[in-house]
Amino acid sequence: NAGVMQNPRHLVRRRGQEARLRCSPMKGHSHVYWYRQLPEEGLKFMVYLQKENIIDESGMPKERFSAEFPKEGPSILRIQQVVRGDSAAYFCASSPRSQANLNTEAFFGQGTRLTVV
Amino acid sequence: AQSVTQPDIHITVSEGASLELRCNYSYGATPYLFWYVQSPGQGLQLLLKYFSGDTLVQGIKGFEAEFKRSQSSFNLRKPSVHWSDAAEYFCAVAPTGGFKTIFGAGTRLFVKA
Repeated sequence: NAGVMQNPRHLVRRRGQEARLRCSPMKGHSHVYWYRQLPEEGLKFMVYLQKENIIDESGMPKERFSAEFPKEGPSILRIQQVVRGDSAAYFCASSPRSQANLNTEAFFGQGTRLTVV
Repeated sequence: AQSVTQPDIHITVSEGASLELRCNYSYGATPYLFWYVQSPGQGLQLLLKYFSGDTLVQGIKGFEAEFKRSQSSFNLRKPSVHWSDAAEYFCAVAPTGGFKTIFGAGTRLFVKA
């Protein structure tokens, strides 16, 4: 059973371009979480999705950022018109059911490191 | 507001010495507590977790942590550190019934020979 797969591992974008980050959850997992890790900081929650639904996006910046988790295919975190401050590591995690249920943990991918030049 | 504090940004220990990484949380009820390890350029690996029951939790790689409700702490310990333990360690809390895991800022562990 493969773990959470994120690609690309490293992404370089010029200011103003779009960045698309992909996350394939573990097999059987229908809940996906995105986190952002700025340099020298811990991870900050961005968004929680189930298949075809955004459950909580309270950690997402109001502009330029969007996320989706379609019925088929990976979850996508999309950043439009990137700026230098978007440079960070973006981690995806998945769980078989909501972490609201007891004894559920999330499994993390290896992250995508975005560099905006 | 819920928060996790890791007071030590960096810690250096000698190989073979004991280790304790501190973690304090702020939350109204009993949360779910986690410790993760992150090696450079890598993702997060779960070391151990506490949901309920025995307050001393055993994890992988010889790590353990103790939940102390009275101190709102969940410190990570290892009796004998190996050079391969050098990494960054994150304490995290997930509110009971919630799903937004909140991470501390991390403690970077250096191991000297």
